[in-house]
Amino acid sequence: QVQVVESGGGVVQPGGSLRLTCETSGFTFRSYGMYWVRQAPGKGLEWVAFIRHDGTNGDHADSVKGRFTISRDNSKNTLFLQMNSLRIDDTAVYYCRAGPAFWGQGTLVTVSS
Amino acid sequence: DIQMTQSPSSLSASVGDRVTITCRASQDISNYLAWYQQKPGKVPQLLIYAASTLQAGVPSRFSGRGSGTDFTLTIRSLQPEDVATYYCQKYDSAPFAFGPGTKVDIK
Repeated sequence: QVQVVESGGGVVQPGGSLRLTCETSGFTFRSYGMYWVRQAPGKGLEWVAFIRHDGTNGDHADSVKGRFTISRDNSKNTLFLQMNSLRIDDTAVYYCRAGPAFWGQGTLVTVSS
Repeated sequence: DIQMTQSPSSLSASVGDRVTITCRASQDISNYLAWYQQKPGKVPQLLIYAASTLQAGVPSRFSGRGSGTDFTLTIRSLQPEDVATYYCQKYDSAPFAFGPGTKVDIK
């Protein structure tokens, strides 16, 4: 069955960095565009980044552009999100999503001093 | 950038009622529109894609319509398990914005 599992979240100080990882199985990873979506506590869903199935043309929301970078390793069925210069308002649950339908359970990122 | 809006922001209805949520894009997105349901404390689930195609396993009381800039999600007969927040999302091109959500509960 389809599995999408995020890891790498945690508590980090403002200005710090984290790297999120999304490990997948049960579907043909290299055929799917992949997304990162986040949800701040008590707030709605916010699209963060997208990468095409072949790893070209990563897109990032304006709120994270220049600080976050999406990438993927199709040989390992894995998606990444490198997050630098973290800010308080980056605090959220970060979800990995394959195509429109396959969501992970999310990983919590807390940016706090 | 294309902005996504939803109305209403919340609603309360009785079991068995017909419920309609509207999503509007600030520019034409053709039918590149998905609807998601997020129950309290849970991961979002895909309900509808391509504006009107029901995702496998989703009850048939859910339906979607629209194209261009105006879209609707209808729950034909509201059930207690439908209590959730509903989001639309455009996926024609980046940025892949979500609407702000519509919270649905039972009266």
